[in-house]
Amino acid sequence: SSELTQDPAVSVALGQTVRITCQGDSLRSYYGSWYQQKPGQAPVAVIYGRNSRPSGIPDRFSGSKSGNTAALIIGGAQAEDEADYYCYCRDGNGHWVFGGGTKLTVL
Amino acid sequence: QLQLQESGPGLVRPSETLSLTCTVSGVSIGSSDYSWGWVRQPPGKGLEWIGSIYYNGVTYYSASLKGRVTMSVDTSRNHFSLQFTSMTAADTAVYYCARGDIFTGLVWGQGTLVTVSS
Repeated sequence: SSELTQDPAVSVALGQTVRITCQGDSLRSYYGSWYQQKPGQAPVAVIYGRNSRPSGIPDRFSGSKSGNTAALIIGGAQAEDEADYYCYCRDGNGHWVFGGGTKLTVL
Repeated sequence: QLQLQESGPGLVRPSETLSLTCTVSGVSIGSSDYSWGWVRQPPGKGLEWIGSIYYNGVTYYSASLKGRVTMSVDTSRNHFSLQFTSMTAADTAVYYCARGDIFTGLVWGQGTLVTVSS
């Protein structure tokens, strides 16, 4: 299967740590990446590869992977982290696969 | 610095064909290191991959949209294009172009809203 599964919604208290997960068979063979999308804006990469951050992304964002599950961890969530988060991975057929997205609420 | 910019009509009539172009700057689209793709997002919904293409014209399309989608690449103009036939209201969405890298993931254009309406 080339699907990626995410929880639709997650909440976190301000300053606490939150883990957003993504499951799919493609993740066994390929590293995924994570994208933050705020209303009216294009997605922006926050984590790619094993655990790399693009320039300008705060170091409170990190990633991990085990088996068929990837995780985005935000350590010490801030109000500006409230957004939709999407995981992405290529599959073995060269197709681009996206998770359904997780809406993060910072309380 | 890599930049992608979508261009095309903001309004399409039902049953017509949508044509979009993504102009790439800051990197050659002729590199074999990357794929170039289209992703759409209906209002209030998630991201949906439409298809992707390599510099040599090899294409991959979403199974659910195959038959309606044609992508092409023009290395001389450093852009790639999407044609999407038989548009309906359900195809109203923000259409993004993006560069895919197997190691670093996706870099996105700003997106363009396409509305299907008579």
